[in-house]
Amino acid sequence: QVQLQESGPGLVKPSETLSLTCTVSGGSISGYYWSWIRQPAGKGLEWIGRIYSSGFTYYNPSLKSRVTMSVDTSQSQFSLKVTSVTAADTAMYYCARGPFSTWDPFDYWGQGTLVSVSS
Amino acid sequence: QTVVTQEPSFSVSPGGTVTLTCGLSSGSVSTSYYPSWYQQTPGQAPRTLIHSTNSRSSGVPDRFSGSILGNKGALTITGAQADDESDYYCMLYMGSGFGWVFGGGTKLTVL
Repeated sequence: QVQLQESGPGLVKPSETLSLTCTVSGGSISGYYWSWIRQPAGKGLEWIGRIYSSGFTYYNPSLKSRVTMSVDTSQSQFSLKVTSVTAADTAMYYCARGPFSTWDPFDYWGQGTLVSVSS
Repeated sequence: QTVVTQEPSFSVSPGGTVTLTCGLSSGSVSTSYYPSWYQQTPGQAPRTLIHSTNSRSSGVPDRFSGSILGNKGALTITGAQADDESDYYCMLYMGSGFGWVFGGGTKLTVL
């Protein structure tokens, strides 16, 4: 059973960079796409972007200027960086596997990690 | 920019049938948007129910079904149970320039 676990600082100061890592276990990171999704408290979900195990990326255009995703297959991890954060970036951040194609779902999800942006 | 729309809330009686919809602020939802549906209970990560309009994910009961109804994507729950009380999100693929976009979610109450 594939499992995903997010990790990273729970508190980030405004204007700084948010950095999160997702560790994949129970299956291979290679040959799959991996995504980040976030959810502000009491609000809906927002897809941030996805990365293939080779490093190919595809970002939400509304966040593209501030987002960078990377992958380390040797560690079975992929990462998210969001620069110049504001309070609007405060959210639960989920990592997930997929979508592999436009018609595929996110088929495995992490439990999420809460990130607050505050001084 | 086109917004993905969902009913903010809905209620259904235990054992009843309910259909939640997923529309566009401009235009019609078709299979080309590959609508998918996710269930989320408080404090939990979302769970994938349906993808590509009507394909059930592994382990999802067959009382959950997806379709296109008129100009919207639809999630139908037949024989609603108390533990179906959750938030339901649809997601559409909006094309290579926009990627995947979620609707605002529907809070389903079973009472």
